[in-house]
Amino acid sequence: DGGITQSPKYLFRKEGQNVTLSCEQNLNHDAMYWYRQDPGQGLRLIYYSQIVNDFQKGDIAEGYSVSREKKESFPLTVTSAQKNPTAFYLCASSIVPGQKSNTEAFFGQGTRLTVV
Amino acid sequence: AQSVAQPEDQVNVAEGNPLTVKCTYSVSGNPYLFWYVQYPNRGLQFLLKYITGDNLVKGSYGFEAEFNKSQTSFHLKKPSALVSDSALYFCAVRSNTGFQKLVFGTGTRLLVSP
Repeated sequence: DGGITQSPKYLFRKEGQNVTLSCEQNLNHDAMYWYRQDPGQGLRLIYYSQIVNDFQKGDIAEGYSVSREKKESFPLTVTSAQKNPTAFYLCASSIVPGQKSNTEAFFGQGTRLTVV
Repeated sequence: AQSVAQPEDQVNVAEGNPLTVKCTYSVSGNPYLFWYVQYPNRGLQFLLKYITGDNLVKGSYGFEAEFNKSQTSFHLKKPSALVSDSALYFCAVRSNTGFQKLVFGTGTRLLVSP
């Protein structure tokens, strides 16, 4: 069953803690993305990666970090430097857009992070 | 820079009636346009995408979208709404520079009443 798996579905973080959100895909996609969703603001790009061991900052990368050690995996760490981390986080993957510009992205089911 | 506007925060329609969810875009060059749907606490599901040359695009669950180049619009339509269509709908455009990332609108909540 191909797709993108995000875990956990719900995550609670205490002030000052780092937390890591998992994202795994078995679609054989080279490109992977992390988006943050807040009510009324749509989706904002945090980080993206086109290939293993390479990733780029998106529009709101401050307070976040990522790694891409394997093609299938793109974990996101929300650090204590992120001042307002409570949000819904979505991971996605696709063919690298430069290869096919009208390619769609496929999304995981999301992780809801709450600071307590 | 590319952008997408969804002018309506919410659209209300009665079951059985046609629905339209509006989207306008701004991008230089050829537009690559997409519609996604999101149900509560779920990820985004791909509905349809614009393919060059086809002004009426058909997608999943009976949805279609009309591309209008002169009005820079890509409105989502369905001839007969279902209560189960109630969800959050996002329009997106892929930029044609650099990495060609997807840029999303702010979303439109569709509420279909019985």
